[in-house]
This record gives sequence, C-alpha cells and structure tokens, in this order.
Amino acid sequence: GQNIDQPTEMTATEGAIVQINCTYQTSGFNGLFWYQQHAGEAPTFLSYNVLDGLEEKGRFSSFLSRSKGYSYLLLKELQMKDSASYLCAVVDSNYQLIWGAGTKLIIKP
Amino acid sequence: IAGITQAPTSQILAAGRRMTLRCTQDMRHNAMYWYRQDLGLGLRLIHYSNTAGTTGKGEVPDGYSVSRANTDDFPLTLASAVPSQTSVYFCASSVEGTGVPDTQYFGPGTRLTVL
Repeated sequence: GQNIDQPTEMTATEGAIVQINCTYQTSGFNGLFWYQQHAGEAPTFLSYNVLDGLEEKGRFSSFLSRSKGYSYLLLKELQMKDSASYLCAVVDSNYQLIWGAGTKLIIKP
Repeated sequence: IAGITQAPTSQILAAGRRMTLRCTQDMRHNAMYWYRQDLGLGLRLIHYSNTAGTTGKGEVPDGYSVSRANTDDFPLTLASAVPSQTSVYFCASSVEGTGVPDTQYFGPGTRLTVL
C-alpha cells in the first residue's frame, strides 16, 4: 500500500527553527510537495522536490532523500503567522498526489 | 473572479437529499480535482478531470459523481447524501493533469454536514 507519515503535532517558539519530517512508501515516485494550510483555509503551495538535496526559499527550505524515502521542511526565524498545518504529498507512478495527514505546528511566543 | 471559487461555503443537509457542490476556475487550467478532508486523514481524491470532457475516479469515488462540460466548471454531485459524507470538500486545479507532477491550486472549500 501507499503510506505517508508525518508527526501529528509539533510545538516551537517564535524566532526558533523547526524541522517537520515526512517519510513515504509509495508505488513510484515523481516528486514531493509541501503545502501550508491555515485553519479553516485552503492548502497553498510551498515547495516541490524531485531531486535529492536541499532547496531553499527564504525562511523555508525543503530536503529530499529518495533512497531513504524521506523529506523534511525546515522553517527558520519562526513567526506567529507560521502556525498552520503542513502537508506532505508524494506524486506516485500515476502522477496522482498521495497526501499525508499533515503536521499541525503551534508557535508559542 | 481570481483563481478558484467554490459554492456554497457551508451547507447542512438532510440525509437522502441530493446536493451539488460548485467549482469554477478562471485560470484556464486543464486539470481539476475534488478532494475531501477529514480530521486525522490526508486529503483524499474523489474524482478528477485531466481535460474538459473527461473524468476519472479517485481513491474514494463511491456516492459522488462529476461532470466536466467545459474548462472552467467542475461540479460535484452527491446523489443521496449520507452522514459519512460530512466533510470539508476542496476543489483544485492544475495547468496539466497528465504525466506531469503539477502544482495544484485549491479553492476555499465547502464545509458539508449531513444529518
């Protein structure tokens, strides 16, 4: 079967750094997306990785290791507005997205 | 209109009633999708359409139907609603839907409660 695992909830302090992990087992792999979803709102695109390594985009970075079936999203200089759920999604062999349940990130002052 | 719109925003529905959730995009995207999101579960694909005139079944299609008469509109119909269809429904679109890992853009969602 296909499986995406993420921690259910994480807590971090404003100004700090947090790493949200995602492990996956899917039928084929054509890339991995990270989305942000604020409570009561739609998911919005953060990043896409298809090659191994780290991609940096401002305060957010995303890492992929295809051999380990592993990705993480790194958030630096945390702000209160970063409180949200972060969704990991893998593109399978049929080019459909398989979604993790999401990680709820709580930022404390 | 900018992006994707969905209607209604929320709805309370009696079991057994028929309901159509509307979705319209103005980005001229070829592909459109319907997901449901339930607490503790990832987004689950109900139906999709790679281009106008074609549709396909996703992971959880039972009890739902869709049509894609044109590029912009992708309505989702519940023929006879049941309480297990209580969920938040998201419509999404992407530029291409076939053979390309494409970024999906989401509408604001419809919160549906079936009693």
